[in-house]
Amino acid sequence: QVQLVQSGAEVRKPGASVKVSCKASGYRFTGHYMHWVRQAPGQGLEWMGRTNPNNGDTDLAQKFQGRVTMTRDTSINTADMELTSLRIDDTAVYYCAREMQVTSVTAFLDFWGQGTLVTVAS
Amino acid sequence: DIQMTQSPSSLSASVGDRVTITCRASQTINTYLNWYQQKPGKAPKLLIFAASTLQSGVPSRFSGSGSGTDFTLAISNLQPEDFATYYCQHYYTLPRTFGQGTKLEIK
Repeated sequence: QVQLVQSGAEVRKPGASVKVSCKASGYRFTGHYMHWVRQAPGQGLEWMGRTNPNNGDTDLAQKFQGRVTMTRDTSINTADMELTSLRIDDTAVYYCAREMQVTSVTAFLDFWGQGTLVTVAS
Repeated sequence: DIQMTQSPSSLSASVGDRVTITCRASQTINTYLNWYQQKPGKAPKLLIFAASTLQSGVPSRFSGSGSGTDFTLAISNLQPEDFATYYCQHYYTLPRTFGQGTKLEIK
Protein backbone atom coordinates (compact mmCIF):
# COMPACT_ATOMS: atom_id res chain seq x y z
CA GLN A 1 0.00 0.00 0.00
CA VAL A 2 1.18 3.49 -0.82
CA GLN A 3 2.40 5.47 2.17
CA LEU A 4 4.07 8.83 2.61
CA VAL A 5 5.53 9.30 6.06
CA GLN A 6 6.87 12.72 6.98
CA SER A 7 9.37 13.80 9.57
CA GLY A 8 8.29 15.24 12.88
CA ALA A 9 7.36 18.72 14.01
CA GLU A 10 10.03 21.40 14.04
CA VAL A 11 10.51 24.70 15.87
CA ARG A 12 12.85 27.30 14.43
CA LYS A 13 13.77 30.91 15.01
CA PRO A 14 13.31 33.56 12.34
CA GLY A 15 16.15 33.47 9.84
CA ALA A 16 16.89 29.80 10.35
CA SER A 17 16.27 26.92 7.96
CA VAL A 18 14.23 23.76 8.18
CA LYS A 19 14.20 20.54 6.20
CA VAL A 20 11.11 18.34 6.03
CA SER A 21 11.44 14.75 4.82
CA CYS A 22 8.88 12.53 3.14
CA LYS A 23 9.56 8.81 2.93
CA ALA A 24 7.62 6.96 0.27
CA SER A 25 6.77 3.29 0.18
CA GLY A 26 4.47 0.93 -1.67
CA TYR A 27 5.12 2.23 -5.19
CA ARG A 28 7.89 3.05 -7.66
CA PHE A 29 9.29 6.26 -6.18
CA THR A 30 10.86 7.50 -9.41
CA GLY A 31 7.63 7.13 -11.35
CA HIS A 32 5.68 9.96 -9.76
CA TYR A 33 6.24 13.66 -9.14
CA MET A 34 6.23 14.65 -5.48
CA HIS A 35 4.47 17.89 -4.61
CA TRP A 36 4.74 20.07 -1.53
CA VAL A 37 1.75 21.98 -0.19
CA ARG A 38 1.56 24.07 2.95
CA GLN A 39 -1.25 25.30 5.14
CA ALA A 40 -0.86 28.14 7.62
CA PRO A 41 -3.01 27.92 10.77
CA GLY A 42 -6.66 28.42 9.90
CA GLN A 43 -5.81 29.13 6.27
CA GLY A 44 -6.15 27.37 2.93
CA LEU A 45 -3.82 25.18 0.93
CA GLU A 46 -0.84 26.74 -0.82
CA TRP A 47 1.04 24.91 -3.58
CA MET A 48 4.76 25.30 -3.14
CA GLY A 49 6.25 23.22 -5.91
CA ARG A 50 7.08 19.75 -7.11
CA THR A 51 10.08 17.57 -7.76
CA ASN A 52 10.64 14.84 -10.30
CA PRO A 53 12.25 11.99 -8.33
CA ASN A 54 13.47 10.43 -11.57
CA ASN A 55 15.88 13.24 -12.47
CA GLY A 56 15.69 15.70 -9.58
CA ASP A 57 14.12 18.52 -11.62
CA THR A 58 11.99 20.92 -9.60
CA ASP A 59 9.29 23.46 -10.34
CA LEU A 60 8.65 26.07 -7.68
CA ALA A 61 5.96 28.64 -7.15
CA GLN A 62 7.53 32.04 -7.77
CA LYS A 63 7.14 33.19 -4.17
CA PHE A 64 9.37 30.34 -2.97
CA GLN A 65 12.12 30.63 -5.55
CA GLY A 66 15.39 31.38 -3.83
CA ARG A 67 14.19 30.09 -0.44
CA VAL A 68 13.03 26.55 -1.15
CA THR A 69 15.09 23.59 -2.29
CA MET A 70 13.47 20.28 -3.13
CA THR A 71 15.67 17.21 -3.34
CA ARG A 72 15.31 13.47 -3.37
CA ASP A 73 17.32 10.40 -2.51
CA THR A 74 16.25 7.48 -4.64
CA SER A 75 18.30 5.02 -2.59
CA ILE A 76 15.98 5.52 0.35
CA ASN A 77 12.84 6.70 -1.50
CA THR A 78 12.78 10.01 0.30
CA ALA A 79 11.91 13.50 -0.88
CA ASP A 80 13.03 16.54 1.10
CA MET A 81 11.95 20.15 1.17
CA GLU A 82 14.22 22.75 2.70
CA LEU A 83 12.97 26.25 3.46
CA THR A 84 15.54 28.90 4.38
CA SER A 85 15.40 32.41 5.84
CA LEU A 86 12.36 31.45 7.84
CA ARG A 87 9.82 34.09 8.78
CA ILE A 88 7.02 34.07 11.33
CA ASP A 89 4.49 33.65 8.54
CA ASP A 90 6.17 30.43 7.38
CA THR A 91 4.54 28.78 10.38
CA ALA A 92 2.39 26.10 8.76
CA VAL A 93 1.75 22.44 8.26
CA TYR A 94 3.79 21.21 5.31
CA TYR A 95 2.50 18.26 3.27
CA CYS A 96 4.12 16.11 0.64
CA ALA A 97 1.77 14.53 -1.89
CA ARG A 98 2.23 12.08 -4.72
CA GLU A 99 1.07 13.04 -8.19
CA MET A 100 -0.74 10.41 -10.21
CA GLN A 101 -1.14 10.71 -13.96
CA VAL A 102 -3.72 8.35 -15.37
CA THR A 103 -3.61 9.81 -18.86
CA SER A 104 -1.88 12.75 -20.49
CA VAL A 105 -4.79 14.97 -19.46
CA THR A 106 -5.22 13.87 -15.87
CA ALA A 107 -2.98 14.62 -12.93
CA PHE A 108 -3.97 14.63 -9.31
CA LEU A 109 -2.57 14.27 -5.80
CA ASP A 110 -3.80 10.89 -4.65
CA PHE A 111 -1.68 10.17 -1.60
CA TRP A 112 -0.58 12.67 1.02
CA GLY A 113 1.78 12.60 3.93
CA GLN A 114 0.43 13.19 7.41
CA GLY A 115 1.81 16.72 7.50
CA THR A 116 4.69 18.32 9.41
CA LEU A 117 4.08 21.34 11.60
CA VAL A 118 6.85 23.90 11.33
CA THR A 119 6.65 26.64 13.92
CA VAL A 120 8.72 29.78 13.48
CA ALA A 121 8.94 31.82 16.66
CA SER A 122 11.47 34.00 18.38
CA ASP B 1 -0.62 32.59 -12.61
CA ILE B 2 -4.13 31.21 -12.85
CA GLN B 3 -6.30 32.34 -9.93
CA MET B 4 -8.97 30.01 -8.59
CA THR B 5 -11.95 31.56 -6.82
CA GLN B 6 -14.40 29.46 -4.86
CA SER B 7 -17.84 30.48 -3.73
CA PRO B 8 -19.22 30.58 -1.22
CA SER B 9 -16.40 30.72 1.33
CA SER B 10 -18.67 28.97 3.80
CA LEU B 11 -22.13 27.53 3.89
CA SER B 12 -24.43 25.86 6.36
CA ALA B 13 -26.59 22.91 5.49
CA SER B 14 -28.45 20.06 7.10
CA VAL B 15 -28.05 16.31 6.83
CA GLY B 16 -29.92 15.16 3.74
CA ASP B 17 -29.56 18.48 1.88
CA ARG B 18 -28.00 18.99 -1.51
CA VAL B 19 -25.30 21.64 -1.82
CA THR B 20 -23.18 23.04 -4.60
CA ILE B 21 -19.80 24.73 -4.49
CA THR B 22 -18.48 26.77 -7.38
CA CYS B 23 -14.91 27.21 -8.54
CA ARG B 24 -13.98 29.78 -11.17
CA ALA B 25 -10.62 29.98 -12.94
CA SER B 26 -9.16 33.28 -14.08
CA GLN B 27 -8.55 31.79 -17.52
CA THR B 28 -9.66 28.67 -19.33
CA ILE B 29 -8.33 25.41 -17.92
CA ASN B 30 -10.30 22.95 -20.05
CA THR B 31 -11.26 20.24 -17.53
CA TYR B 32 -7.93 20.27 -15.70
CA LEU B 33 -9.55 20.63 -12.29
CA ASN B 34 -9.53 18.50 -9.16
CA TRP B 35 -11.55 18.66 -5.95
CA TYR B 36 -10.28 17.78 -2.48
CA GLN B 37 -11.94 17.39 0.89
CA GLN B 38 -10.13 18.25 4.10
CA LYS B 39 -11.20 17.56 7.66
CA PRO B 40 -9.63 19.30 10.66
CA GLY B 41 -6.18 18.03 11.48
CA LYS B 42 -6.09 15.75 8.45
CA ALA B 43 -4.44 15.80 5.06
CA PRO B 44 -6.63 16.61 2.07
CA LYS B 45 -8.36 13.75 0.31
CA LEU B 46 -8.95 13.57 -3.43
CA LEU B 47 -12.63 13.47 -4.37
CA ILE B 48 -12.85 14.23 -8.07
CA PHE B 49 -10.28 14.57 -10.84
CA ALA B 50 -10.49 15.92 -14.35
CA ALA B 51 -13.51 17.98 -13.31
CA SER B 52 -16.00 15.12 -13.21
CA THR B 53 -14.34 11.74 -12.56
CA LEU B 54 -15.03 10.31 -9.14
CA GLN B 55 -11.97 8.96 -7.36
CA SER B 56 -12.20 5.31 -6.43
CA GLY B 57 -13.95 4.78 -3.11
CA VAL B 58 -15.64 8.19 -3.05
CA PRO B 59 -19.42 7.96 -2.56
CA SER B 60 -21.58 8.62 -5.59
CA ARG B 61 -23.39 11.47 -3.81
CA PHE B 62 -20.38 13.57 -4.81
CA SER B 63 -20.29 14.83 -8.38
CA GLY B 64 -18.35 17.37 -10.38
CA SER B 65 -19.04 19.26 -13.55
CA GLY B 66 -17.80 22.10 -15.68
CA SER B 67 -15.16 23.02 -18.21
CA GLY B 68 -13.35 26.12 -19.35
CA THR B 69 -13.51 28.51 -16.42
CA ASP B 70 -16.54 27.46 -14.36
CA PHE B 71 -16.81 24.31 -12.28
CA THR B 72 -19.17 22.89 -9.70
CA LEU B 73 -18.91 20.34 -6.94
CA ALA B 74 -22.27 18.97 -5.86
CA ILE B 75 -23.00 16.88 -2.83
CA SER B 76 -26.43 15.31 -2.56
CA ASN B 77 -28.01 13.75 0.51
CA LEU B 78 -25.44 15.28 2.86
CA GLN B 79 -24.09 12.93 5.48
CA PRO B 80 -22.52 13.91 8.82
CA GLU B 81 -19.07 12.93 7.55
CA ASP B 82 -19.34 15.39 4.63
CA PHE B 83 -19.01 18.45 6.83
CA ALA B 84 -15.51 19.58 5.98
CA THR B 85 -13.62 22.10 3.86
CA TYR B 86 -13.47 21.66 0.11
CA TYR B 87 -10.79 22.91 -2.25
CA CYS B 88 -10.48 23.03 -5.99
CA GLN B 89 -7.08 22.95 -7.69
CA HIS B 90 -6.19 23.30 -11.35
CA TYR B 91 -3.42 21.44 -13.11
CA TYR B 92 -3.50 23.28 -16.43
CA THR B 93 -0.15 24.96 -15.90
CA LEU B 94 2.33 25.66 -13.18
CA PRO B 95 1.85 26.84 -10.49
CA ARG B 96 -0.96 24.47 -9.53
CA THR B 97 -3.00 26.93 -7.51
CA PHE B 98 -5.80 26.01 -5.12
CA GLY B 99 -9.01 27.83 -4.49
CA GLN B 100 -9.31 29.47 -1.09
CA GLY B 101 -11.59 26.75 0.20
CA THR B 102 -15.26 26.38 1.10
CA LYS B 103 -16.15 25.37 4.63
CA LEU B 104 -19.30 23.29 4.84
CA GLU B 105 -20.88 23.43 8.28
CA ILE B 106 -23.84 21.79 9.91
CA LYS B 107 -26.89 24.00 10.24
